[in-house]
Amino acid sequence: DVKVTQSSRYLVKRTGEKVFLECVQDMDHENMFWYRQDPGLGLRLIYFSYDVKMKEKGDIPEGYSVSREKKERFSLILESASTNQTSMYLCASSRTSRNYGYTFGSGTRLTVV
Amino acid sequence: GQQVMQIPQYQHVQEGEDFTTYCNSSTTLSNIQWYKQRPGGHPVFLIQLVKSGEVKKQKRLTFQFGEAKKNSSLHITATQTTDVGTYFCAGQSSNTGKLIFGQGTTLQVKP
Repeated sequence: DVKVTQSSRYLVKRTGEKVFLECVQDMDHENMFWYRQDPGLGLRLIYFSYDVKMKEKGDIPEGYSVSREKKERFSLILESASTNQTSMYLCASSRTSRNYGYTFGSGTRLTVV
Repeated sequence: GQQVMQIPQYQHVQEGEDFTTYCNSSTTLSNIQWYKQRPGGHPVFLIQLVKSGEVKKQKRLTFQFGEAKKNSSLHITATQTTDVGTYFCAGQSSNTGKLIFGQGTTLQVKP
């Protein structure tokens, strides 16, 4: 069964900490995405990548950065965590062809205290 | 910027009743996708519609894409408790190729 795996299901971090969220996919997908999901706001795109070492800002990139050194791995970095970054973070991947939907990971619920 | 609006935000139905959620885009879409997220779960891809006026069915679920490719709907006939969850539409922009998610409709079904 094809998978997108996120390293942690739950995470609690302190304000100001540097936080790494890891995502790995085993489907050889070209595209990878990071979303955050908040009640009433749906899914908002933070960053995405169409290829190794390539990254593009989504709709809400402030306070985040990403890294894609290998095709299967896409990391989200919170440079200095703040309480307003408490959220559910979802990683997704897809093929370049527009005939396929996104495959999502199980999500990481991050709490910043 | 481009927006995809989805209504209603919440819907409570009695088991056996029908349910419909609607999705509207401010711009023309190249395609629209639908996802289902069970409580505590993650979004799971259901279907993609590409052609103007397209209608697709999956058992009790009927998906439609508007003639102008700016709106879509998901209709569930005779809901069951297993239909509980949040249904998201996601429109792919004709210009940018980016997928924009609606806010989702959360369906609750009373047995």
